[in-house]
Amino acid sequence: SAVISQKPSRDICQRGTSLTIQCQVDSQVTMMFWYRQQPGQSLTLIATANQGSEATYESGFVIDKFPISRPNLTFSTLTVSNMSPEDSSIYLCSVSQDSGANVLTFGAGSRLTVL
Amino acid sequence: QKEVEQDPGPLSVPEGAIVSLNCTYSNSAFQYFMWYRQYSRKGPELLMYTYSSGNKEDGRFTAQVDKSSKYISLFIRDSQPSDSATYLCAMTPGHQAGTALIFGKGTTLSVSS
Repeated sequence: SAVISQKPSRDICQRGTSLTIQCQVDSQVTMMFWYRQQPGQSLTLIATANQGSEATYESGFVIDKFPISRPNLTFSTLTVSNMSPEDSSIYLCSVSQDSGANVLTFGAGSRLTVL
Repeated sequence: QKEVEQDPGPLSVPEGAIVSLNCTYSNSAFQYFMWYRQYSRKGPELLMYTYSSGNKEDGRFTAQVDKSSKYISLFIRDSQPSDSATYLCAMTPGHQAGTALIFGKGTTLSVSS
């Protein structure tokens, strides 16, 4: 299965600032997914990022808050904009496994703390 | 009622015990069921993947799905300290990549030696 690298692994941010998380995959993939894992909550899909098209956002998530780039088949970024303490969370990049079935491989995550 | 319910624990057992982890769900459209394991400061990794009702075994792990009861289970036999992790159930109505997975909150398991 694919190997996913995420940067940064963790960061402490000030309220009102923005942070961009990078996701690099060791093979070309069609779909990349961004998830949020808040303390005590379920993993929640933020958006699906396809190369060459706009990201598709899930209900409750908007492009202005979580802009996503997908410049090629191995890379994506998620920006968390105008952060507040409620954005403190783990953000995870994932891709579908080689079989094409709906089974995901995840990166290690980026743990953000907003003060 | 949330779509997927999972007791967060924590669950503490001695080494060698049989562990039972469970999730219930409300959406009868779910057809594909997964268990992920997540170690501290790591991303989730797939443990088991099953379709519809029935059992699936892989080494010390057995996944059960009872669609009539909307209930899935993961059994761990001869539990080891290395099994200490958070276990997430996930499910989806569709097989195709891109169909959103719905996750439970995860159960934290601690196996003591």
